Amino acid sequence: AQKVTQAQTEISVVEKEDVTLDCVYETRDTTYYLFWYKQPPSGELVFLIRRNSFDEQNEISGRYSWNFQKSTSSFNFTITASQVVDSAVYFCALSDFPGSARQLTFGSGTQLTVLP
Amino acid sequence: NAGVTQTPKFRVLKTGQSMTLLCAQDMNHEYMYWYRQDPGLGLRLIHYSVGEGTTAKGEVPDGYNVSRLKKQNFLLGLESAAPSQTSVYFCALRTAAGANVLTFGAGSRLTVL
Repeated sequence: AQKVTQAQTEISVVEKEDVTLDCVYETRDTTYYLFWYKQPPSGELVFLIRRNSFDEQNEISGRYSWNFQKSTSSFNFTITASQVVDSAVYFCALSDFPGSARQLTFGSGTQLTVLP
Repeated sequence: NAGVTQTPKFRVLKTGQSMTLLCAQDMNHEYMYWYRQDPGLGLRLIHYSVGEGTTAKGEVPDGYNVSRLKKQNFLLGLESAAPSQTSVYFCALRTAAGANVLTFGAGSRLTVL
């Protein structure tokens, strides 16, 4: 069975600080996808990134970066120079590959609060 | 939200009442999903559909029924609502074939008293 653990329930930082959100996953599949979604206070769910298990290269997109380490089954998300608009709940998710009907398995989410 | 419309957005029910949530897409995507979101539990899959006329159970299907009579619409029904079904419900489409990327609706907040 697949499982995603986000041990950090809530994180609070001051604006401009860097913050890392942890994600640890479990799967018996040898190929799989990992995702991060953002849920701002307005409530919608916004797709941020998808990474497949073949590609362990870190990815950077502006202030966002993702560190995928297969050896530790982790897919951590770092926000550099955080801003108030980054305040949201962030979900890590896992699904099998390449695209069966199988659903995403979500973690319980991390509430990030960025204080001005 | 990429053409995903959920109705209603809010609803209050009494225990034992029934209701239906509608998810409608204005595109032609095959895969549709219903999730519920609860504090501390993240999102959990209730039911999903891989095409018109097909449905399948997810992780937490008990107490819910679904139908996909038309490709554009995926309905989630509660026959006899219970307080444990108080939640925020999200419909999702798989919009990128083979990539498992889901696009979510805006959510429907249901309270069962």
